[in-house]
Amino acid sequence: KAGVTQTPRYLIKTRGQQVTLSCSPISGHRSVSWYQQTPGQGLQFLFEYFSETQRNKGNFPGRFSGRQFSNSRSEMNVSTLELGDSALYLCASSVNSGTSGPYNEQFFGPGTRLTVL
Amino acid sequence: SQQGEEDPQALSIQEGENATMNCSYKTSINNLQWYRQNSGRGLVHLILIRSNEREKHSGRLRVTLDTSKKSSSLLITASRAADTASYFCATASDNYGQNFVFGPGTRLSVLP
Repeated sequence: KAGVTQTPRYLIKTRGQQVTLSCSPISGHRSVSWYQQTPGQGLQFLFEYFSETQRNKGNFPGRFSGRQFSNSRSEMNVSTLELGDSALYLCASSVNSGTSGPYNEQFFGPGTRLTVL
Repeated sequence: SQQGEEDPQALSIQEGENATMNCSYKTSINNLQWYRQNSGRGLVHLILIRSNEREKHSGRLRVTLDTSKKSSSLLITASRAADTASYFCATASDNYGQNFVFGPGTRLSVLP
């Protein structure tokens, strides 16, 4: 099976712009989670989608949003970019059953490195 | 504050030695997972241990879980230079919802 893919791999934006990142999960995986990784804050959970519904959400402002399509592909959007949004954004997919959150093994993509100037 | 806290923050050993990393957490958990990350890249899942398990093995990896002490350890035996990476523990709480969080990680350097 192909792994989790994320596009683009690198992105440079300026403050105030908005950005959309894409994630294609492993075939058959219905849960997609997004994380932000920075040197200062480490890995922080953004949100999780399952069957096109946001099921879990971390403590990020409303500028961070996402969605999931019927084929489980997911996008996340950050509006009005700030310098502090510079980070590695990681997407992870997992096989999920029942009503549990991201409690199973997660498979991570290579990440999108976002730089905000 | 983060749920999982790894200890030590950094560890440097010689090839062939064993490496032990510890993770402490604060609230009850459904499971605890260990991940590896090579510099600036995606994470790779290593082991998942459920709250009713005490020990799991996978190749050269051994994970223990002590729910009474709210701690876990990851042991890598006979380390190799290729084991050089950051190692993270991640905890999933009993509650349906928000708490799937990673610790700050242990940076392991294995010297040839």
